Order: sequence, then C-alpha cells, then structure tokens
Amino acid sequence: QKEVEQNSGPLSVPEGAIASLNCTYSDRGSQSFFWYRQYSGKSPELIMSIYSNGDKEDGRFTAQLNKASQYVSLLIRDSQPSDSATYLCAVRGNNRLAFGKGNQVVVIP
Amino acid sequence: DADVTQTPRNRITKTGKRIMLECSQTKGHDRMYWYRQDPGLGLRLIYYSFDVKDINKGEISDGYSVSRQAQAKFSLSLESAIPNQTALYFCAAGGGNTDTQYFGPGTRLTVL
Repeated sequence: QKEVEQNSGPLSVPEGAIASLNCTYSDRGSQSFFWYRQYSGKSPELIMSIYSNGDKEDGRFTAQLNKASQYVSLLIRDSQPSDSATYLCAVRGNNRLAFGKGNQVVVIP
Repeated sequence: DADVTQTPRNRITKTGKRIMLECSQTKGHDRMYWYRQDPGLGLRLIYYSFDVKDINKGEISDGYSVSRQAQAKFSLSLESAIPNQTALYFCAAGGGNTDTQYFGPGTRLTVL
C-alpha cells in the first residue's frame, strides 16, 4: 500500500461549483497533513494544513481530516478558473513528508 | 513563505558532466530538502538535512550527493549526469513540530 494515495483522475468542475478531492494514507501515527497547489511547471504552494480531526476552513478552501478512517479531503467552494491546477496531498511520517501523486482540477468557465 | 531560492532555474548539460544545483533560504528554517518531480511519479525525496551536521538519504539518493554549507544553504550535486536524471528539481525548507515545508521555484534540468 502506498503511503499517500490520491486515486481520482482529472476532475472537471463548472465555475462556481464545489470541487472535492480525497486522499488516504497508510501511517496511522501521522500527525500533520497538508494540501499543496501546483500550477503546471511551477513549484508546489502550501494552501492548507490540518492537524486534528474535523474541518478547517480558510477562505474558499476547507480541509477535512478523519484519522480513524485515515483520510483527508479538500473542498474548494465557488471554484474559479484560477483554481485549475494539480493538488498534492502530503502527510508527515518517519521524519519526512510523503506526497501523493496529485489530482488535476480543471475549472470550466 | 520561507523565501527559498534556487539557481540555476534551467540547465542543459551533457551525459557525464558534473553539475551542482544550489538552494538558499532566508527564514532560518532548520530543515532543508531536495526533491525531484517526474511526470506520473510525483515528488520524490532525494536527500534531506535537519541541520548543518545532519544529512539523510531519501527515497532516490543514488547518483546524487548534497552539501549543507550553512543553515541557509543546501546544494545538490550530480557527479556524472545521466539522461534519466532529466527532471524538475525542487528545494524545500521547513521545520518546527509540524514540519511544514515551503518550496523554491524549481530547476528544470535536462541531461542530453
């Protein structure tokens, strides 16, 4: 089992809709969870971090963490064309971050 | 942001050449990292350093070496570059209890 899995293929959402991304992880002892946004050819940019069960909201972004089920999700409300990017889930374990392969989001005007 | 800078931003080199990629950060983070990113493979950790005297191998360290010259500087070397080292290379800096990492702009390396 991979450390961090993001299994969904490219996600197309209409402008103004909600984009929902999911991520599962294997290390039950993980304590820190992150979502990064990466535009094509650019570096990953931290958009959300979450450390305890429940929801954390920051502007149009909401991260959700469920440690018992070992998943973390990201919701993007009122999606904008500028949200079109690849979103990377990262989980801290074994003194390093493990990254998922990312989910591409395409917001259709 | 950690204000992480990388030089060069782009580099084309030939097989067998030695090349060094440099990374600097201005926020005083104790931890620094080197990753490479390939299409379909995601980010993979090459080396990481928790302080000047602490260097650790990551998932894919073969063919690479690093030097932590100061808290703010962490360089990556390819002793004898080969074509399958063509990739996008990122340096990151971070630390603290949560190990939040901030990435530099990346170096696009092409080995012919």
